[in-house]
Amino acid sequence: QSVLTQPPSASGTPGQRVTISCSGSRSNIGNNPVTWYQQLPGTAPKLLIYFSDQRPSGVPDRFSGSKSGTSASLAISGLQSEDEADYFCATWDDSLKTVLFGGATKLTVL
Amino acid sequence: QVTLKESGPTLVKPTQTLALTCTLSGFSLSTIGTRVAWLRQSPGKSLEWLAHIDWGYDSFYTASLKTRVTVSHDTSKNQVVLTMTNMDPVDTATYYCARNPPVYSRTWTSFDYWGQGILVTVSS
Repeated sequence: QSVLTQPPSASGTPGQRVTISCSGSRSNIGNNPVTWYQQLPGTAPKLLIYFSDQRPSGVPDRFSGSKSGTSASLAISGLQSEDEADYFCATWDDSLKTVLFGGATKLTVL
Repeated sequence: QVTLKESGPTLVKPTQTLALTCTLSGFSLSTIGTRVAWLRQSPGKSLEWLAHIDWGYDSFYTASLKTRVTVSHDTSKNQVVLTMTNMDPVDTATYYCARNPPVYSRTWTSFDYWGQGILVTVSS
């Protein structure tokens, strides 16, 4: 069981807005920035959000990240079929002294 | 063009030592602020960070695997090598190398380029 808790699944219809949460503690999300990744089946993860709310160039502005206290969220607006993938959050843990990943949320576009 | 590519055995026996190579292209590990990490993903499961090596060729390891994992750099070949001893079936996973570039170096968790991954199966 991951230290960072994500819902195992999420879903939405095309055009909708969906939010994926990532819950941690003071030693990880509470003290450190969060990164979000998208992983399509059979491929390596792709960087979506860094420093909790920053988008790399090339990532559509439909993707946004936020952090409050010991939780973080990834929001996807204007949902598209190609957004169907697994999504992971990641951060550093000051106590465990390691990079942590959430347990992945599988997004289904209905 | 930045690329990373993993290579090595896809099948190892229990208790054997695994050695994987990550060949870097389009960038240099020696650039200040650059790190190359090794991560793995067990079938159907989440990602696990194993270690990284930085521009000063210092290595950092996840605590749970610190006694089994070594990461080194071959400057002449521009390669990063992961060695993991005493392999067990639970170590069966896809192993990735990934770059943490200077622009993201304030955090160890942001990787902008990843290798394609190599599936390593541990079985007798």
